[in-house]
Amino acid sequence: GNSVTQMEGPVTLSEEAFLTINCTYTATGYPSLFWYVQYPGEGLQLLLKATKADDKGSNKGFEATYRKETTSFHLEKGSVQVSDSAVYFCALSERGAGGTSYGKLTFGQGTILTVHP
Amino acid sequence: GAGVSQSPRYKVAKRGQDVALRCDPISGHVSLFWYQQALGQGPEFLTYFQNEAQLDKSGLPSDRFFAERPEGSVSTLKIQRTQQEDSAVYLCASSLVASGELFFGEGSRLTVL
Repeated sequence: GNSVTQMEGPVTLSEEAFLTINCTYTATGYPSLFWYVQYPGEGLQLLLKATKADDKGSNKGFEATYRKETTSFHLEKGSVQVSDSAVYFCALSERGAGGTSYGKLTFGQGTILTVHP
Repeated sequence: GAGVSQSPRYKVAKRGQDVALRCDPISGHVSLFWYQQALGQGPEFLTYFQNEAQLDKSGLPSDRFFAERPEGSVSTLKIQRTQQEDSAVYLCASSLVASGELFFGEGSRLTVL
């Protein structure tokens, strides 16, 4: 079956520090990969995605590269802000018969990030 | 509003009671999903609708769980004879097309006493 493993949290950083949240996956097929973020009091929202090997997803200064050889999709940001404090979820989606992902996501357990001023 | 709306936001039920959780997806979104999120865990897939058709219900944990979307818009997740292990946040998500880019509601937190 499919599974996603994220680094254990919580992660606490000072503003402007470098962030890495590790994510590795196991999949029976060739999945699409996602990072979702949940800010306090809000619903989950898509942060970035990558659909094939070596693709780099990026948004709001965050980046992650689809590494098929190491089955990883680590999230990075060069300089975090207090407003980045949230829970981050790595997820994968298997492709359906048509070759696209239909939204049946397998999530990691989430990593709580707290950024202090 | 323009987002996915879920109600109630909080529900406390006594063990054995039936509950119904409602999801109002973004207008025009064809695909609708239900996920269950236990405390400190990531969401787990329950079921998927494309319009009114329930195409995947492989994640429903038992026959006490039932979901419907009769007119291809609003969906209801029903849990019969609730048990303590059903306590979780139930998330609804929708998308315009079948992809992994889902728009989530804030969830309905169910506590079974």
